[in-house]
Amino acid sequence: DTAVSQTPKYLVTQMGNDKSIKCEQNLGHDTMYWYKQDSKKFLKIMFSYNNKELIINETVPNRFSPKSPDKAHLNLHINSLELGDSAVYFCASSQVSGHPYGYTFGSGTRLTVV
Amino acid sequence: SQQGEEDPQALSIQEGENATMNCSYKTSINNLQWYRQNSGRGLVHLILIRSNEREKHSGRLRVTLDTSKKSSSLLITASRAADTASYFCATSYSGGYQKVTFGTGTKLQVIP
Repeated sequence: DTAVSQTPKYLVTQMGNDKSIKCEQNLGHDTMYWYKQDSKKFLKIMFSYNNKELIINETVPNRFSPKSPDKAHLNLHINSLELGDSAVYFCASSQVSGHPYGYTFGSGTRLTVV
Repeated sequence: SQQGEEDPQALSIQEGENATMNCSYKTSINNLQWYRQNSGRGLVHLILIRSNEREKHSGRLRVTLDTSKKSSSLLITASRAADTASYFCATSYSGGYQKVTFGTGTKLQVIP
């Protein structure tokens, strides 16, 4: 199936741990994103990569580090997890060059820090 | 700060009625997009309208854009229970790479 897939779907972990979320898209898009959705459903962009190059890096604690090994993958590593990191994290992709369309989102990773 | 603000925050209608959601934004945009999010799921792209377009249709969806008022509306005609979801507007604005900023969302409930 063509899609944006992210794993895991659920992640429960203790404060202070380090965790990673993986994202892959097989749509051939040139740009990938990480968004954070809080409990009030507010979606905030965190990072964006275009052809493996970091192009958007919003005000995010440096405990969050994205990595894009190739243009089909964008992973998110979080060090020293805090309670406030609990949220749903969405990966998305789009084709920026040429005709803009819209984002294709993954189904989200619900992170709970206890 | 948040680019788009949806109005109303929540809307409850009977099946078969029309639902209208509004979005206002602050700066000049390249395009505006509407997304749907079902509970516990990712966002699904519905429609994109460019800054030089005034109206666009897709099935039961109608989107209008008024750049002079910096506002857009999404109309869902003949609503169905399956339309129950949160709806977000998202704006893409000038300045290099596409950066899409999402609004606060309208929670729509369609009662069967």
